[in-house]
Amino acid sequence: EIVLTQSPGTLSLSPGERATLSCRASQSVSSSYLAWYQQKPGQAPRLLIYGASSRATGIPDRFSGSGSGTDFTLTISRLEPEDFAVYCCQQYATSPWTFGQGTKVEI
Amino acid sequence: EVQLVESGGGLVQPGGSLRLSCAASGFTFSTYWMTWVRQAPGKGLEWVANINQDGSEKYYVDSVKGRFTISRDNAKNSLYLQVNSLRVEDTAVYYCARGLSSSWHTAEGYWGQGTLVTVSS
Repeated sequence: EIVLTQSPGTLSLSPGERATLSCRASQSVSSSYLAWYQQKPGQAPRLLIYGASSRATGIPDRFSGSGSGTDFTLTISRLEPEDFAVYCCQQYATSPWTFGQGTKVEI
Repeated sequence: EVQLVESGGGLVQPGGSLRLSCAASGFTFSTYWMTWVRQAPGKGLEWVANINQDGSEKYYVDSVKGRFTISRDNAKNSLYLQVNSLRVEDTAVYYCARGLSSSWHTAEGYWGQGTLVTVSS
């Protein structure tokens, strides 16, 4: 199975700062079938990015995704207070689909 | 509006069984792959299983193969997960999810609120 490794584990930033989250795959993720989710405590995950770089409906443009092959990045250009959460990547190219362990973005 | 509502979780002893259900509404259920994802307390997400539109294709993560069975009833707009031979490590919130598109290769665009399964003696 494809193992996704996210870094860093925790990112301590302030509102207005830029956040850069990494997701590295153990083998190439074909067709950029890579998604990013946001999860807040007690809530279900929320899809942010699919196809490595396409924003889901209603997602602000401060969220952007990039990358291909084995290296992917989620960037939040200017952190808003509501952006402090856990972010998780997922590959849906090769079964079983797998998730990264998550990056916590905290104040 | 797409809605997914899970039920059936609870406290069960090791070796026990449960049937999780997911009631879907707001979309044409029979045209989408459906998925179960779980999250152990304080841990990350783990993809568990998915099923195609007519139930003829099913895929599972290795850790649940032979113990869990995913199924669906398109007439009832419902997804199920039969979980047998439960282990302590199966303790998690179980989410039902629907893909963004009707393709197999799709991100999970819609999620239920989850149902908690606790395996403990």
